[in-house]
Amino acid sequence: ETGVTQSPTHLIKTRGQQVTLRCSSQSGHNTVSWYQQALGQGPQFIFQYYREEENGRGNFPPRFSGLQFPNYSSELNVNALELDDSALYLCASSIQGAPGNTIYFGEGSWLTVV
Amino acid sequence: AQSVTQLDSHVSVSEGTPVLLRCNYSSSYSPSLFWYVQHPNKGLQLLLKYTSAATLVKGINGFEAEFKKSETSFHLTKPSAHMSDAAEYFCVVSANTGTASKLTFGTGTRLQVTL
Repeated sequence: ETGVTQSPTHLIKTRGQQVTLRCSSQSGHNTVSWYQQALGQGPQFIFQYYREEENGRGNFPPRFSGLQFPNYSSELNVNALELDDSALYLCASSIQGAPGNTIYFGEGSWLTVV
Repeated sequence: AQSVTQLDSHVSVSEGTPVLLRCNYSSSYSPSLFWYVQHPNKGLQLLLKYTSAATLVKGINGFEAEFKKSETSFHLTKPSAHMSDAAEYFCVVSANTGTASKLTFGTGTRLQVTL
């Protein structure tokens, strides 16, 4: 049990729709990252939020966006969904600071785009 | 740029025998390295981490890994496999890009444990 909770656990969307995924970070953690894990692959870094601002981004298009709230919880929004967006979306929380800072993951949100 | 290479996509061992999952890394500076495990339809669980302290790192469930700078390796081992160890294992390197901490994952090694 990592203390990182995500919702919803599973959802199905139609191509072209928009989706919002939610994450509550572990108590005391001020940094949230999002990762996309396609079937059979390792997770890929989408972006990270600290102090309610994006402070790092992977190779994902602008239709992937996010928010962080004052209580450190976060949302991942994906617009104009494509079939290839079908994946497990993982939220991770940590404390901003020293290298090697432990990052804890939630159990993820399974998104299927049809 | 940082990267990790997991040398085996699939490893099969018998219960009670040793486990070796291999990982090589590439980093322009002293890396932070991790092993995560993912059981079917589950999230990621941290097994252990290396952050420039002791080169032999002990983790949960009897796993350990040794950081070898000369070989740029961070192999995961366990003396005796258990059926519950069957899962996907990811070797991970951390890049601190300014204020952001980005994890770069290997492609994963699926561990199968047979009776």
